[in-house]
Amino acid sequence: GAVVSQHPSWVICKSGTSVKIECRSLDFQATTMFWYRQFPKQSLMLMATSNEGSKATYEQGVEKDKFLINHASLTLSTLTVTSAHPEDSSFYICSAKLAGQETQYFGPGTRLLVL
Amino acid sequence: EDQVTQSPEALRLQEGESSSLNCSYTVSGLRGLFWYRQDPGKGPEFLFTLYSAGEEKEKERLKATLTKKESFLHITAPKPEDSATYLCAVKETSGSRLTFGEGTQLTVNP
Repeated sequence: GAVVSQHPSWVICKSGTSVKIECRSLDFQATTMFWYRQFPKQSLMLMATSNEGSKATYEQGVEKDKFLINHASLTLSTLTVTSAHPEDSSFYICSAKLAGQETQYFGPGTRLLVL
Repeated sequence: EDQVTQSPEALRLQEGESSSLNCSYTVSGLRGLFWYRQDPGKGPEFLFTLYSAGEEKEKERLKATLTKKESFLHITAPKPEDSATYLCAVKETSGSRLTFGEGTQLTVNP
């Protein structure tokens, strides 16, 4: 149980284009989903927290107009990197948790390369 | 501000050589401490959640313990497939976010 998927697993795009990453909880309903970014040999950095049906809460320093998050259902959240630039290249990981529980379950991650 | 420090940064063991990883934390109030395993190029895999001092949890060759200041992940008779980065994270009582440590990169040689 508690399986989280992400799609795509990797994506290469040209600078200036937008990229959408999907995060799905496959066998549970996730009232809260989280988006992280991870640079090589570093730990996870929280970008934003999203609750189903509400606007996402962004961490300090994360541009909400650049990283658009939608959490339209209890099993799906999306992260759209708008007008991507090479510095946005990174490993993006989502996580999800059930209502009333503390444990976050992570997806397999999406590798983004912006050329 | 919450702080999580993991040690050592890297650890090399021979197969069968037991050891422990440390996670020291500072929070105003602990809601939970979490251990994850992360393989290269993959998302973290959940291992354990600990809620209060004195609590212990086991899974195969792994055992996690918790005190008021730190947590240990004990690895008994490790195998090469236990090689990974082990991440510790804490959640305080007043928030929803996890604060992660920098991880311990474990390598188990056959």
